[in-house]
Amino acid sequence: QQKVQQSPESLIVPEGAMTSLNCTFSDSASQYFAWYRQHSGKAPKALMSIFSNGEKEEGRFTIHLNKASLHFSLHIRDSQPSDSALYLCAGGRGSALGRLHFGAGTQLIVIP
Amino acid sequence: DTTVKQNPRYKLARVGKPVNLICSQTMNHDTMYWYQKKPNQAPKLLLFYYDKILNREADTFEKFQSSRPNNSFCSLYIGSAGLEYSAMYLCASSRTGGARGTQYFGPGTRLLVL
Repeated sequence: QQKVQQSPESLIVPEGAMTSLNCTFSDSASQYFAWYRQHSGKAPKALMSIFSNGEKEEGRFTIHLNKASLHFSLHIRDSQPSDSALYLCAGGRGSALGRLHFGAGTQLIVIP
Repeated sequence: DTTVKQNPRYKLARVGKPVNLICSQTMNHDTMYWYQKKPNQAPKLLLFYYDKILNREADTFEKFQSSRPNNSFCSLYIGSAGLEYSAMYLCASSRTGGARGTQYFGPGTRLLVL
């Protein structure tokens, strides 16, 4: 069974700061990696995903995958109060049945 | 519309009583999932339907039932609720081959068993 560890459990940063969230996986056969974001009282929503080693940037958000070390990270540049949410990382083998394994999440609070 | 709906949003149940939760999506997704989430824990996959085929996880096989009468609806059934079933239940759907695994979640049903 895939084990997904996220760190830190919670994080408080000032507005404008760079935020880094981390995730490690136990299943070396994982091929699909994603970050989900859940604002309080709302549904989790897919933020970004990646399949191959390297980086992917979308606006203020950058994800980085290192399959050799099973490490996956999310970086938020110029953090905003609206970024305050629970961030869940997820990984899977990318098969047709799409089973994803989630971490417990990092609770991010961005203070104005 | 990428909305997944869940009903009810809150459910209070008595120990030993049955519980039925409902999920719907109008995206014509072929796969629908049910997760259980407890505070400070990862969402735990309980079961999922790929089209009409039900897949239940080994460690929750006997605790949860489900039905999918059509492509849009999926239910989660607990025959006899115990205190340990108190949790948030999240429904999600995805399209095979689309976005390679992106799941669309509903807002969840918070179940409290007393």
